[in-house]
Amino acid sequence: KQEVTQIPAALSVPEGENLVLNCSFTDSAIYNLQWFRQDPGKGLTSLLLIQSSQREQTSGRLNASLDKSSGRSTLYIAASQPGDSATYLCAVMDTGRRALTFGSGTRLQVQP
Amino acid sequence: DTAVSQTPKYLVTQMGNDKSIKCEQNLGHDTMYWYKQDSKKFLKIMFSYNNKELIINETVPNRFSPKSPDKAHLNLHINSLELGDSAVYFCASSQLGLAGLQETQYFGPGTRLLVL
Repeated sequence: KQEVTQIPAALSVPEGENLVLNCSFTDSAIYNLQWFRQDPGKGLTSLLLIQSSQREQTSGRLNASLDKSSGRSTLYIAASQPGDSATYLCAVMDTGRRALTFGSGTRLQVQP
Repeated sequence: DTAVSQTPKYLVTQMGNDKSIKCEQNLGHDTMYWYKQDSKKFLKIMFSYNNKELIINETVPNRFSPKSPDKAHLNLHINSLELGDSAVYFCASSQLGLAGLQETQYFGPGTRLLVL
């Protein structure tokens, strides 16, 4: 059974810092991995999707990497801003299963 | 235009009642999902439908019954509500892409259910 772990659970940084969020999964037989953002009381917004054959994806100040063999992904946020404050969720879709298994999230606070 | 919409946004009800949550997507996707986010903010899949056919049914009590009248709609009916059903329920949709890979999942805003 797939398990997804995110470290750290919470992170507080001053504005402008570059930061890395970590995600690990136990079963490397995945179709893809997605990073989401969730603001308090709101739904999920997809940030990046990495297919199993890809190593990384970039969108603006965000860069996500995937190392399928070691069961790890990182989300890199460059030059963090207060507007980046949210909970970041990592989720994987297993081979043969059409639903996501989520990690418990990293709650990010960027101080102005 | 909202891509994935859910109604109602908030639902407060008494234990033992029956309630429904509706979901609609206008993205033309062929797969829809219901997820539950508990008080610890942990998201778990409940059901998944592809072209109106149930393809995932996790270990969810029989009191929960999804219904998909067409590809664009996936409703969730809950019988005999219990205190432990209090959670945020998210609907999502995606499209089966090339090589049978599911593409990005788009989530609705969530329905906050409180059972008293």
